[in-house]
Amino acid sequence: GENVEQHPSTLSVQEGDSAVIKCTYSDSASNYFPWYKQELGKGPQLIIDIRSNVGEKKDQRIAVTLNKTAKHFSLHITETQPEDSAVYFCAAPNNNAGNMLTFGGGTRLMVKP
Amino acid sequence: AAGVIQSPRHLIKEKRETATLKCYPIPRHDTVYWYQQGPGQDPQFLISFYEKMQSDKGSIPDRFSAQQFSDYHSELNMSSLELGDSALYFCASSLGRGGQYFGPGTRLTVT
Repeated sequence: GENVEQHPSTLSVQEGDSAVIKCTYSDSASNYFPWYKQELGKGPQLIIDIRSNVGEKKDQRIAVTLNKTAKHFSLHITETQPEDSAVYFCAAPNNNAGNMLTFGGGTRLMVKP
Repeated sequence: AAGVIQSPRHLIKEKRETATLKCYPIPRHDTVYWYQQGPGQDPQFLISFYEKMQSDKGSIPDRFSAQQFSDYHSELNMSSLELGDSALYFCASSLGRGGQYFGPGTRLTVT
């Protein structure tokens, strides 16, 4: 099955700085990599995803990069704001036939005003 | 836009009781997933359904069962509840293998 590792577990940045969260995965057949933001007491919110046919995808202040050879992908948040503070999870599908997700351990991002 | 609806939002049960959690997917989504999230943990996949048929099975205990109905809503049935079942239970839905969108969750407390 898929194994997803996520680093760092906590990240503290100053408002306006950039934040980078990195994940590695084990199954070279995986082809879809979503990122979720989870605020306290809420469900995970899909914020961006990338498929293996592209190396980078951007959506305003958020970008994801994928290196299939190295089996790692990263989330980049620029110009961070206090409302970006949350737990972020990366994920990868557990197998090729289905769509079940294996999540990384999560990164608690704190943006200090 | 319409989101995934889960009910109830909070549930308190005693050990050995049963619980039923309900999930209403985003309209036109045909796939439903159930995840369990313990305190400070990442979500763990339990089970999924595509077009009312079970499609994948994860770490779901034998005491739990689930199904998807003709209107695509799903129910997770949990029997012989244990203290360790206390967690957040999330339902997510997708259109085929598209992105999974999570509901607000049901917080289950077993006392």
